[in-house]
Amino acid sequence: DADVTQTPRNRITKTGKRIMLECSQTKGHDRMYWYRQDPGLGLRLIYYSFDVKDINKGEISDGYSVSRQAQAKFSLSLESAIPNQTALYFCATSDSTLASLNEQFFGPGTRLTVL
Amino acid sequence: TQLLEQSPQFLSIQEGENLTVYCNSSSVFSSLQWYRQEPGEGPVLLVTVVTGGEVKKLKRLTFQFGDARKDSSLHITAAQPGDTGLYLCAGVKVGTASKLTFGTGTRLQVTL
Repeated sequence: DADVTQTPRNRITKTGKRIMLECSQTKGHDRMYWYRQDPGLGLRLIYYSFDVKDINKGEISDGYSVSRQAQAKFSLSLESAIPNQTALYFCATSDSTLASLNEQFFGPGTRLTVL
Repeated sequence: TQLLEQSPQFLSIQEGENLTVYCNSSSVFSSLQWYRQEPGEGPVLLVTVVTGGEVKKLKRLTFQFGDARKDSSLHITAAQPGDTGLYLCAGVKVGTASKLTFGTGTRLQVTL
């Protein structure tokens, strides 16, 4: 079984709709992250969470919100989707005991298309 | 401005050739990682380097961290079609242990 899972894997939606992407992990890591990937721009950090009570904005948080429901679950919401949010979205985890390295483990991604 | 610049952006070579991918920055990093990403999947960690001048080998892949910890390279010897993918460098900038900064990526295609 995969250590980091994301649902759904693919989603097509319309402008203005609310969308939630979910991430679950069985690695026992305390830190979780949401990134988006666009061609030529690499991976950009949207939000990150160091534990259930800690949520932090990344470099591109506008238009997004997150919820850390448990240590193993971290969801990303688009309150009102717009076409330029069409991208690949990745969830990742890391272990705070190795914080200086920040080695991250990624889920398989969600391909989101906003029409 | 991209904090980590990778070159080349695209590379298409034949099986058996050698290649080097570069990851450069003007900032100092406490550690630097290389990931490989295949279509439809998330990035997978290949290696982490932490000491200036450090060299690590993973079978046919050789990773080097620059002496000043501002750059890194990935060298592949005798490339194989299975090496095809997107290679990403990522670093922890000194003073920002909470965030990993990714490079723009190098897309490698190895053909028979």
